[in-house]
Amino acid sequence: EVQLLESGGGLVQPGGSLRLSCAASGFTFSTYAMSWVRQAPGMGLEWVSSVSGSGGSTYYADSVKGRFTISRDNSRNTLSLQMNSLRAEDTAIYYCAKNWAGSSSCIDHWGQGTLVTVSS
Amino acid sequence: DIVMTQSPDSLAVSLGERATINCKSSQSVLYSSNNNNYLAWYQQKPGQPPKLLIYWASTRESGVPDRFSGSGSGTDFTLTISSLQAEDVAVYYCQQYYNTPYTFGQGTKLEIK
Repeated sequence: EVQLLESGGGLVQPGGSLRLSCAASGFTFSTYAMSWVRQAPGMGLEWVSSVSGSGGSTYYADSVKGRFTISRDNSRNTLSLQMNSLRAEDTAIYYCAKNWAGSSSCIDHWGQGTLVTVSS
Repeated sequence: DIVMTQSPDSLAVSLGERATINCKSSQSVLYSSNNNNYLAWYQQKPGQPPKLLIYWASTRESGVPDRFSGSGSGTDFTLTISSLQAEDVAVYYCQQYYNTPYTFGQGTKLEIK
């Protein structure tokens, strides 16, 4: 059974940093692209970033490019999202997600999400 | 960026009746080399993460009831629930994964009439 467990969310001041982690199990982690998708309170879904199975290719939404960095450790089955220069509009639930195959594929499994609140 | 527009924003359907949700992309998401439409549908119930229903526009994910079906090609797509059940109350999203950013529609809220 695929399991994705996010951690690292919390309250941070504007301009601050936070690192999200996602522990994956139940599948061959290095075979699949992984993604982060966020959802602001009461709003829709927004794709944030994806990384290829090897970690060699990364993709970002314009809204986070240059501030967020996605990475993965295939030896530890862990996905991470380093978030710097956080803004109020980054407040959201952040979902760790497994892609169906490569980066250009749908998401077939989602974690429960971790809440990031950016506020002074 | 490819803009995904769903209609309607909300929908109320009687139990046992058909529900239809539309999704239109601002450019084609049909990849000609493999004839696949890079379009997925997700269901999100309150307090839960989304769940994959349909991918490649019309392929039902394993375990999804066959009352859910997807159709369309190019820029126009439809999610149909043939006979609405109480457990289908949710928000439904389409998403294109043709190119980055992998954009979602704004969501359609489905309720019981």
